[in-house]
Amino acid sequence: LAKTTQPISMDSYEGQEVNITCSHNNIATNDYITWYQQFPSQGPRFIIQGYKTKVTNEVASLFIPADRKSSTLSLPRVSLSDTAVYYCLVDSGSARQLTFGSGTQLTVLP
Amino acid sequence: KAGVTQTPRYLIKTRGQQVTLSCSPISGHRSVSWYQQTPGQGLQFLFEYFSETQRNKGNFPGRFSGRQFSNSRSEMNVSTLELGDSALYLCASSAGQSYNEKLFFGSGTQLSVL
Repeated sequence: LAKTTQPISMDSYEGQEVNITCSHNNIATNDYITWYQQFPSQGPRFIIQGYKTKVTNEVASLFIPADRKSSTLSLPRVSLSDTAVYYCLVDSGSARQLTFGSGTQLTVLP
Repeated sequence: KAGVTQTPRYLIKTRGQQVTLSCSPISGHRSVSWYQQTPGQGLQFLFEYFSETQRNKGNFPGRFSGRQFSNSRSEMNVSTLELGDSALYLCASSAGQSYNEKLFFGSGTQLSVL
């Protein structure tokens, strides 16, 4: 199972772009990279998923370099309501034991 | 569509007791997975059920068990509760057809063991 490493915490100000990088050195060929967001006392919520290059949706972008050993979640113009824990995980096809890791606590300041 | 529903929302038990938690997945979803979340250990995978069969299992002792019914609803049971079992227990559902499907989580059951 691929292990992920993320920063424990990050601070940002409202209106800024935030980039959270995750490393997954032993990612396998068929693995996908998925990001979830979690608010206190709630379950995680899917943000975005990708396999390679760049994926964009209405809330975020995901950049994955060619070697796929890392990925970067980009949140454009964050607001106070984006304060949450962000988890990067590698979806392994062989046995879906999703490992969420410790996540990154993002705090958006006014 | 209704989301994933977990009951009860809060639960207080004492050491040695057992507890059963319930999870109703999104209509049409056949996979239900369970997770334990604690401040120290983060989010840890317990097990996954698909079509009433346990498909994957994490590294938890046998005191943690589960089952899934024909309507895809799932229950998780913890026997002989220990103080360290105090946690937020989350379930997630997905269609279960491919490994990289989006998971939909419930709000969890907050279990406190005294």
